[in-house]
Amino acid sequence: SQQGEEDPQALSIQEGENATMNCSYKTSINNLQWYRQNSGRGLVHLILIRSNEREKHSGRLRVTLDTSKKSSSLLITASRAADTASYFCATRETSGSRLTFGEGTQLTVNP
Amino acid sequence: DAGVIQSPRHEVTEMGQEVTLRCKPISGHNSLFWYRQTMMRGLELLIYFNNNVPIDDSGMPEDRFSAKMPNASFSTLKIQPSEPRDSAVYFCASSIPGQGEKLFFGSGTQLSVL
Repeated sequence: SQQGEEDPQALSIQEGENATMNCSYKTSINNLQWYRQNSGRGLVHLILIRSNEREKHSGRLRVTLDTSKKSSSLLITASRAADTASYFCATRETSGSRLTFGEGTQLTVNP
Repeated sequence: DAGVIQSPRHEVTEMGQEVTLRCKPISGHNSLFWYRQTMMRGLELLIYFNNNVPIDDSGMPEDRFSAKMPNASFSTLKIQPSEPRDSAVYFCASSIPGQGEKLFFGSGTQLSVL
């Protein structure tokens, strides 16, 4: 079963708006990662946040992690049409090297 | 660096045939992962290797699936015999333990079993 569950499943916004995607998980984690997948391509790593961190920034990306609620959010600010893709959260559990992916959020940014 | 290289990019085969998917990880990466992606089940981890040794193969669906990593620069995923329900995109990924273990993915192999 999937460890991470993304919400919403699909999101459609206008260029320039912010996009927020959420991820919930079930077990104790070592870190949580966000990946992006363009149609027909492999996944690309965006950002990693460790279990002892609460917020992290990278360019237009902002990730938060709430381990008490077992949830994370990814915020993309000032979105662009090129941000159109599927976004996945992935959790690395405290035991082992397994990285488990959620079902993804399909983001569409309309020009 | 060329990144993770997978071949073939597309594979169409008939039920019952043997299928072999290939992966070359990024040089210096000592962990390798095989994932399968379908609309119904999302991304599933099939197996992963550390230093060429299989660590966790609990995601391998059944005995028809096997994976090998004979050396640090090459891995194969074999399906014998293939079935229509094996149709999916198969991804290989590599990583360096100790750097958060973020994964670098190949472009995937689109497998269609007719």
